[in-house]
Amino acid sequence: NAGVTQTPKFRVLKTGQSMTLLCAQDMNHEYMYWYRQDPGMGLRLIHYSVGEGTTAKGEVPDGYNVSRLKKQNFLLGLESAAPSQTSVYFCASSEREGSYNEQFFGPGTRLTVL
Amino acid sequence: GQNIDQPTEMTATEGAIVQINCTYQTSGFNGLFWYQQHAGEAPTFLSYNVLDGLEEKGRFSSFLSRSKGYSYLLLKELQMKDSASYLCAVSDSNYQLIWGAGTKLIIKP
Repeated sequence: NAGVTQTPKFRVLKTGQSMTLLCAQDMNHEYMYWYRQDPGMGLRLIHYSVGEGTTAKGEVPDGYNVSRLKKQNFLLGLESAAPSQTSVYFCASSEREGSYNEQFFGPGTRLTVL
Repeated sequence: GQNIDQPTEMTATEGAIVQINCTYQTSGFNGLFWYQQHAGEAPTFLSYNVLDGLEEKGRFSSFLSRSKGYSYLLLKELQMKDSASYLCAVSDSNYQLIWGAGTKLIIKP
């Protein structure tokens, strides 16, 4: 099992450009999450999904969109990138909701917006 | 508001014991997680506490006091590979994880 994978691993964008980050999991998990991690701050939830075809906003959703057309994939889109979106993006998945919802993380995407 | 506090950085010696503290104020509580994150890598699960007390797993132990909003992660017999950041996260009333900024642990020979 590959677990959670993310593509690309690195990307440099110019302000105003768009891109899509892809997350895939092979654990048949219902829940998937997109986080960003910035120096000196905790992981912040951007969007999440509780199942195929569903998405919901997290703590910092502005400037991002997501889609979950297939259970195993969760896409994060930046329509018009801004320097404030320079960050490391992590995708995670978990089997279910509830108290014990251990999240499994992908390796991350390091995005720089110039 | 919701808040997770943990020290920014700690230094310890190989072979020693270190305790990393975490205090939290959240809207509801459905468990506390500790994750380990090596530089440039993804967080990986270490432990989970939902009831008061100590959970032991090999060299790592985690303690929880819900009345005090407090947890600690205890690492024994420190090894160089334990150099990493340790993230405390609380599952709130909506089962969303609220994350602390992490504690960077530096191990010296």
